[in-house]
Amino acid sequence: NAGVMQNPRHLVRRRGQEARLRCSPMKGHSHVYWYRQLPEEGLKFMVYLQKENIIDESGMPKERFSAEFPKEGPSILRIQQVVRGDSAAYFCASSPRQGTSEETQYFGPGTRLLVL
Amino acid sequence: AQSVTQLDSQVPVFEEAPVELRCNYSSSVSVYLFWYVQYPNQGLQLLLKYLSGSTLVKGINGFEAEFNKSQTSFHLRKPSVHISDTAEYFCAVSETGANNLFFGTGTRLTVIP
Repeated sequence: NAGVMQNPRHLVRRRGQEARLRCSPMKGHSHVYWYRQLPEEGLKFMVYLQKENIIDESGMPKERFSAEFPKEGPSILRIQQVVRGDSAAYFCASSPRQGTSEETQYFGPGTRLLVL
Repeated sequence: AQSVTQLDSQVPVFEEAPVELRCNYSSSVSVYLFWYVQYPNQGLQLLLKYLSGSTLVKGINGFEAEFNKSQTSFHLRKPSVHISDTAEYFCAVSETGANNLFFGTGTRLTVIP
């Protein structure tokens, strides 16, 4: 059973460009979470999605960031007009059932975004 | 609001020696507690979690942690480390019934041959 997959693993963008980060959850998982890890900091929750629904986006910056989890295909985290402060590791996690923390979240390897 | 503190950013230890990685949290409500490990260039892997019941929790790879409510701590221990334990270790907390985790800044464990 393949784990959570994220691509690309590394992404370089210039200021003002768009970044698209993709996450394919584990087979059978319908709950996806995105976290961001800034340098020298712990992971911080951004958004929690189920298929076609955003359940909790309390950790998402108000501007330039959006996320989706369509009926078919991977979850996408989109960052428009990137700035240097967006440089970070972005981790996706998935869980099989209800989205409470009793359910183990399985993490992908992350996407390292570097904004020049 | 919740927070997690991992006081030790780096812990070097000799092979076969015991190790303790410290984690303290603050929360005004009941919490679940987790330890994750991250090997180089890999995603986080769950080591163990405390939801309820016995305060001593055993996880994978010989690790265990003890929940101490009065001291708001959840320290991770292993009696004898191996080279393969070299990795970054993250403590995390979640409100019971919540859907997101709050992570500490991580402790880098380096096992010295």
